[in-house]
Amino acid sequence: DTGVSQDPRHKITKRGQNVTFRCDPISEHNRLYWYRQTLGQGPEFLTYFQNEAQLEKSRLLSDRFSAERPKGSFSTLEIQRTEQGDSAMYLCASSQDSYNEQFFGPGTRLTVL
Amino acid sequence: EDQVTQSPEALRLQEGESSSLNCSYTVSGLRGLFWYRQDPGKGPEFLFTLYSAGEEKEKERLKATLTKKESFLHITAPKPEDSATYLCAVQAGGNQFYFGTGTSLTVIP
Repeated sequence: DTGVSQDPRHKITKRGQNVTFRCDPISEHNRLYWYRQTLGQGPEFLTYFQNEAQLEKSRLLSDRFSAERPKGSFSTLEIQRTEQGDSAMYLCASSQDSYNEQFFGPGTRLTVL
Repeated sequence: EDQVTQSPEALRLQEGESSSLNCSYTVSGLRGLFWYRQDPGKGPEFLFTLYSAGEEKEKERLKATLTKKESFLHITAPKPEDSATYLCAVQAGGNQFYFGTGTSLTVIP
């Protein structure tokens, strides 16, 4: 069994460009979460999905951030018009319906120049 | 306001020197408290879930406990491989998750 996977692992982009990250959850997990983590801080909750439904998105950092989970499988997180302040580790996690433990992927490290 | 505070921020222990990490929280409608271990450059690794005051969980040298206002992660006779950042998270009634800033543990051989 593979765990949560994320792609790419590292992304360097120039300010103003759009970036998209992908997350593949553990196969039987219905819930999928996105977090942002900056150096020395804990993960900051952004949004989550129950199957294909996005149930919470008020914590997305701005309208430049959006997430999708078509067909309730993999998910993507897009950041439009990136800013230097978006530089961070973006983490994805998944969990089963009946269990609250979240299992994290390795993260995508974003650097905005 | 929902909040999670961890202390100390950093802890250095000699190998074999037992200690405890603290996680205090104020949330509306606690649904669960979670402990994770995070190594540099990696995603958090799940350790424990606690749901109600008085509950305890153990795994190898680690033991987590929960009261109505805080949780402790006790580390007994730590080894250098226990060096990592330990994160506490709570799930509030609105199904949102809040993480603390973590305790960076260094175990010196």
